[in-house]
Amino acid sequence: EAGVAQSPRYKIIEKRQSVAFWCNPISGHATLYWYQQILGQGPKLLIQFQNNGVVDDSQLPKDRFSAERLKGVDSTLKIQPAKLEDSAVYLCASSFQSYEQYFGPGTRLTVT
Amino acid sequence: KNEVEQSPQNLTAQEGEFITINCSYSVGISALHWLQQHPGGGIVSLFMLSSGKKKHGRLIATINIQEKHSSLHITASHPRDSAVYICAVNLSVEAPDTGNQFYFGTGTSLTVIP
Repeated sequence: EAGVAQSPRYKIIEKRQSVAFWCNPISGHATLYWYQQILGQGPKLLIQFQNNGVVDDSQLPKDRFSAERLKGVDSTLKIQPAKLEDSAVYLCASSFQSYEQYFGPGTRLTVT
Repeated sequence: KNEVEQSPQNLTAQEGEFITINCSYSVGISALHWLQQHPGGGIVSLFMLSSGKKKHGRLIATINIQEKHSSLHITASHPRDSAVYICAVNLSVEAPDTGNQFYFGTGTSLTVIP
Protein backbone atom coordinates (compact mmCIF):
# COMPACT_ATOMS: atom_id res chain seq x y z
CA GLU A 1 0.00 0.00 0.00
CA ALA A 2 1.45 3.36 -1.01
CA GLY A 3 1.85 5.89 1.77
CA VAL A 4 0.99 9.57 1.91
CA ALA A 5 2.86 11.44 -0.80
CA GLN A 6 3.97 15.06 -0.53
CA SER A 7 5.83 17.39 -2.83
CA PRO A 8 8.09 19.18 -2.97
CA ARG A 9 10.29 17.86 -0.17
CA TYR A 10 12.16 21.14 0.18
CA LYS A 11 11.42 24.71 -0.85
CA ILE A 12 13.33 27.93 -0.34
CA ILE A 13 11.59 31.21 -1.15
CA GLU A 14 11.96 34.87 -0.30
CA LYS A 15 9.48 36.63 1.95
CA ARG A 16 6.42 37.97 0.17
CA GLN A 17 6.64 35.22 -2.46
CA SER A 18 3.99 32.53 -2.89
CA VAL A 19 4.38 28.79 -2.45
CA ALA A 20 2.15 25.74 -2.83
CA PHE A 21 2.44 22.26 -1.37
CA TRP A 22 0.75 19.13 -2.65
CA CYS A 23 -0.44 16.06 -0.79
CA ASN A 24 -1.87 12.77 -2.04
CA PRO A 25 -3.32 10.71 0.82
CA ILE A 26 -3.55 6.96 1.09
CA SER A 27 -6.20 5.65 -1.27
CA GLY A 28 -9.60 5.51 0.39
CA HIS A 29 -8.71 7.76 3.30
CA ALA A 30 -11.51 10.29 3.64
CA THR A 31 -9.84 12.49 6.24
CA LEU A 32 -6.85 14.64 5.38
CA TYR A 33 -4.88 16.92 7.70
CA TRP A 34 -2.33 19.66 7.09
CA TYR A 35 0.06 20.49 9.94
CA GLN A 36 2.71 23.12 10.48
CA GLN A 37 5.71 22.08 12.57
CA ILE A 38 8.11 24.80 13.62
CA LEU A 39 11.56 23.63 14.67
CA GLY A 40 11.56 22.33 18.24
CA GLN A 41 7.78 22.18 18.52
CA GLY A 42 5.10 19.59 17.99
CA PRO A 43 2.94 19.75 14.87
CA LYS A 44 0.10 22.26 14.85
CA LEU A 45 -3.09 21.46 12.94
CA LEU A 46 -3.82 23.95 10.18
CA ILE A 47 -6.82 22.36 8.52
CA GLN A 48 -8.79 19.11 8.49
CA PHE A 49 -10.79 17.89 5.50
CA GLN A 50 -13.43 15.20 5.43
CA ASN A 51 -13.69 14.22 1.75
CA ASN A 52 -13.84 17.61 0.01
CA GLY A 53 -15.34 19.52 2.95
CA VAL A 54 -13.53 21.47 5.64
CA VAL A 55 -14.09 20.11 9.15
CA ASP A 56 -11.79 22.43 11.07
CA ASP A 57 -9.72 25.38 9.88
CA SER A 58 -9.78 27.34 13.12
CA GLN A 59 -5.97 27.58 13.29
CA LEU A 60 -5.39 28.40 9.63
CA PRO A 61 -4.14 31.99 9.14
CA LYS A 62 -6.68 32.72 6.48
CA ASP A 63 -5.20 36.07 5.50
CA ARG A 64 -2.29 34.26 3.87
CA PHE A 65 -2.94 30.52 3.94
CA SER A 66 -5.45 28.64 1.84
CA ALA A 67 -6.11 24.97 1.23
CA GLU A 68 -8.37 22.96 -1.00
CA ARG A 69 -9.32 19.38 -1.67
CA LEU A 70 -11.61 19.83 -4.62
CA LYS A 71 -12.25 16.20 -5.58
CA GLY A 72 -11.87 14.76 -2.11
CA VAL A 73 -8.57 13.08 -2.92
CA ASP A 74 -5.38 15.12 -3.19
CA SER A 75 -4.97 18.52 -1.61
CA THR A 76 -2.94 21.68 -1.98
CA LEU A 77 -1.87 24.15 0.69
CA LYS A 78 -0.85 27.63 -0.42
CA ILE A 79 0.87 30.49 1.33
CA GLN A 80 0.60 33.94 -0.22
CA PRO A 81 2.53 36.04 0.69
CA ALA A 82 5.04 34.14 2.80
CA LYS A 83 6.57 35.57 5.96
CA LEU A 84 9.80 34.64 7.71
CA GLU A 85 7.84 32.97 10.52
CA ASP A 86 6.28 30.55 8.02
CA SER A 87 9.57 28.65 7.88
CA ALA A 88 8.62 25.18 9.08
CA VAL A 89 7.94 21.63 8.02
CA TYR A 90 4.48 21.21 6.53
CA LEU A 91 3.09 17.75 7.16
CA CYS A 92 0.15 16.06 5.53
CA ALA A 93 -1.60 13.12 7.15
CA SER A 94 -4.61 10.99 6.30
CA SER A 95 -6.86 8.61 8.15
CA PHE A 96 -9.68 6.22 7.37
CA GLN A 97 -12.09 5.53 10.20
CA SER A 98 -9.88 5.22 13.25
CA TYR A 99 -7.82 7.28 15.60
CA GLU A 100 -4.66 6.47 13.64
CA GLN A 101 -3.15 8.95 11.22
CA TYR A 102 -0.60 8.21 8.51
CA PHE A 103 1.90 10.94 7.84
CA GLY A 104 3.70 11.98 4.68
CA PRO A 105 7.42 12.82 4.59
CA GLY A 106 6.75 16.55 4.94
CA THR A 107 7.84 19.64 3.02
CA ARG A 108 10.55 21.73 4.61
CA LEU A 109 9.96 25.41 3.80
CA THR A 110 12.61 28.05 4.34
CA VAL A 111 11.59 31.69 3.91
CA THR A 112 14.51 34.12 3.59
CA LYS B 1 -0.56 25.36 29.08
CA ASN B 2 -0.28 22.49 26.64
CA GLU B 3 -2.67 19.60 27.19
CA VAL B 4 0.21 17.18 26.56
CA GLU B 5 3.55 17.47 28.32
CA GLN B 6 6.62 15.37 27.60
CA SER B 7 9.85 14.86 29.48
CA PRO B 8 12.69 15.05 29.05
CA GLN B 9 12.94 17.46 26.13
CA ASN B 10 16.38 16.15 25.20
CA LEU B 11 18.01 12.85 26.05
CA THR B 12 21.45 11.48 25.27
CA ALA B 13 22.22 7.85 25.99
CA GLN B 14 25.00 5.37 25.39
CA GLU B 15 24.29 2.46 23.10
CA GLY B 16 22.71 -0.38 25.05
CA GLU B 17 21.10 1.77 27.74
CA PHE B 18 17.48 1.45 28.79
CA ILE B 19 15.57 4.61 27.89
CA THR B 20 12.33 6.01 29.25
CA ILE B 21 10.36 8.93 27.82
CA ASN B 22 7.36 10.23 29.73
CA CYS B 23 4.10 11.83 28.65
CA SER B 24 1.48 13.43 30.88
CA TYR B 25 -1.84 14.82 29.78
CA SER B 26 -4.43 16.92 31.53
CA VAL B 27 -7.63 16.04 29.68
CA GLY B 28 -9.81 13.02 29.06
CA ILE B 29 -8.62 11.02 26.09
CA SER B 30 -9.87 8.31 23.78
CA ALA B 31 -6.42 7.16 22.73
CA LEU B 32 -2.75 8.03 23.09
CA HIS B 33 -0.14 7.67 20.37
CA TRP B 34 3.63 7.43 20.37
CA LEU B 35 5.17 8.70 17.16
CA GLN B 36 8.74 8.69 15.86
CA GLN B 37 10.13 11.49 13.71
CA HIS B 38 13.52 11.16 12.03
CA PRO B 39 15.50 14.12 10.66
CA GLY B 40 13.86 15.15 7.40
CA GLY B 41 10.40 15.32 8.88
CA GLY B 42 8.47 12.11 8.24
CA ILE B 43 6.47 10.77 11.19
CA VAL B 44 5.87 7.09 11.86
CA SER B 45 3.30 5.74 14.28
CA LEU B 46 4.84 3.42 16.88
CA PHE B 47 1.92 2.68 19.18
CA MET B 48 -1.70 3.54 19.79
CA LEU B 49 -2.87 2.88 23.35
CA SER B 50 -6.10 3.23 25.25
CA SER B 51 -5.12 1.07 28.21
CA GLY B 52 -2.40 -1.21 29.55
CA LYS B 53 0.79 -2.00 27.72
CA LYS B 54 2.03 -2.79 24.23
CA LYS B 55 5.35 -4.19 23.05
CA HIS B 56 6.95 -4.19 19.63
CA GLY B 57 10.49 -5.45 19.40
CA ARG B 58 12.64 -3.36 21.74
CA LEU B 59 9.91 -0.78 22.27
CA ILE B 60 7.39 -0.91 25.10
CA ALA B 61 4.59 1.59 25.72
CA THR B 62 2.48 1.78 28.85
CA ILE B 63 -0.42 3.95 29.89
CA ASN B 64 -2.03 4.66 33.26
CA ILE B 65 -5.44 6.18 32.60
CA GLN B 66 -6.09 7.12 36.24
CA GLU B 67 -2.80 8.99 36.53
CA LYS B 68 -3.05 10.42 32.96
CA HIS B 69 0.46 9.26 32.21
CA SER B 70 2.20 7.18 29.58
CA SER B 71 5.77 6.01 29.14
CA LEU B 72 7.75 4.84 26.14
CA HIS B 73 10.64 2.52 26.92
CA ILE B 74 13.45 1.49 24.62
CA THR B 75 15.50 -1.51 25.68
CA ALA B 76 19.06 -2.07 24.44
CA SER B 77 19.12 1.30 22.69
CA HIS B 78 20.91 1.64 19.38
CA PRO B 79 22.14 4.68 17.41
CA ARG B 80 19.41 4.07 14.83
CA ASP B 81 16.89 4.84 17.60
CA SER B 82 18.07 8.45 17.48
CA ALA B 83 15.00 10.49 16.57
CA VAL B 84 12.35 12.75 18.04
CA TYR B 85 9.64 10.85 19.90
CA ILE B 86 6.28 12.58 20.07
CA CYS B 87 3.30 11.81 22.29
CA ALA B 88 -0.13 12.69 20.89
CA VAL B 89 -3.66 12.17 22.19
CA ASN B 90 -7.20 12.07 20.84
CA LEU B 91 -9.51 13.98 23.18
CA SER B 92 -12.54 12.09 24.42
CA VAL B 93 -14.86 15.08 24.53
CA GLU B 94 -15.05 16.27 20.96
CA ALA B 95 -17.52 16.58 18.15
CA PRO B 96 -17.62 13.40 16.07
CA ASP B 97 -15.92 14.99 13.06
CA THR B 98 -12.97 16.28 15.06
CA GLY B 99 -12.62 13.31 17.42
CA ASN B 100 -9.68 11.95 15.44
CA GLN B 101 -7.62 15.12 15.84
CA PHE B 102 -4.23 14.81 17.50
CA TYR B 103 -3.03 17.03 20.32
CA PHE B 104 0.73 16.82 20.35
CA GLY B 105 3.45 17.08 22.93
CA THR B 106 6.54 19.03 21.96
CA GLY B 107 8.62 15.91 21.50
CA THR B 108 11.69 14.34 23.08
CA SER B 109 14.88 14.46 21.05
CA LEU B 110 16.85 11.25 21.64
CA THR B 111 20.47 10.77 20.65
CA VAL B 112 22.06 7.37 21.16
CA ILE B 113 25.84 7.44 21.06
CA PRO B 114 27.75 4.36 19.84
